[in-house]
Amino acid sequence: QSVLTQSPSTSGTPGQRVTISCSGSGSNIGRNTVNWYQQVPGTAPKLLIYNNNQRPTGVPDRFSGSKSGTSASLANSGLQSEDEADYYCAAWDDSVNGYVFGTGTKVTVL
Amino acid sequence: EVQLVESGGGLVQPGGSLILSCAASGFSFSDYWMSWVRQAPEKGLEWVANIKQDKSEKYYVDSVKGRFVISRDDTSNTVYLQMNDLSAEDTAVYYCTRAGGSNEFDYWGQGTLVSVSS
Repeated sequence: QSVLTQSPSTSGTPGQRVTISCSGSGSNIGRNTVNWYQQVPGTAPKLLIYNNNQRPTGVPDRFSGSKSGTSASLANSGLQSEDEADYYCAAWDDSVNGYVFGTGTKVTVL
Repeated sequence: EVQLVESGGGLVQPGGSLILSCAASGFSFSDYWMSWVRQAPEKGLEWVANIKQDKSEKYYVDSVKGRFVISRDDTSNTVYLQMNDLSAEDTAVYYCTRAGGSNEFDYWGQGTLVSVSS
């Protein structure tokens, strides 16, 4: 079961800024780095942000990540049609000695 | 080019067993933690297990402890997931992933579907 909570869905028009939040606890986000994944329906997930705010090579700079306390956020500064996907936050959880994913947020481009 | 190719999925009866394999290429396999992540139909992602480079540490999600075993063979660059006593709740696409330095899963395979049904 997911111990990281995300809002189920969000939407925006092309060019709009959207933000996804991820709420955890002291044993996961509070102590460990947060990673974000993007999953276009029917495909494997893709790493979007790692170590709270680092972008892998090839990820557009409109995506950014941040972390504060036991919460984290993923921002997209200019929504594009190809950004329509599910987004998951994730972190190691010291209390369960395991990796936990967020509940996922579906982003729809209107 | 990093590649992870899973195999071994299929239809299995409740209580049955299955072994998943993941063939890795394009990187120094012995330098990385490796993990399995699954996704039940229309559900979110769930981490299943991971294994350290030297096999000295292995971790599992509670729901599979005692039933699943992760292993690796650095001579063939392959990571395995032995799954026993399968139930319908184990039905999912299973992804093989490589773990980077910040516990991030930086590369994913295409996934292999495991269906548990009578």
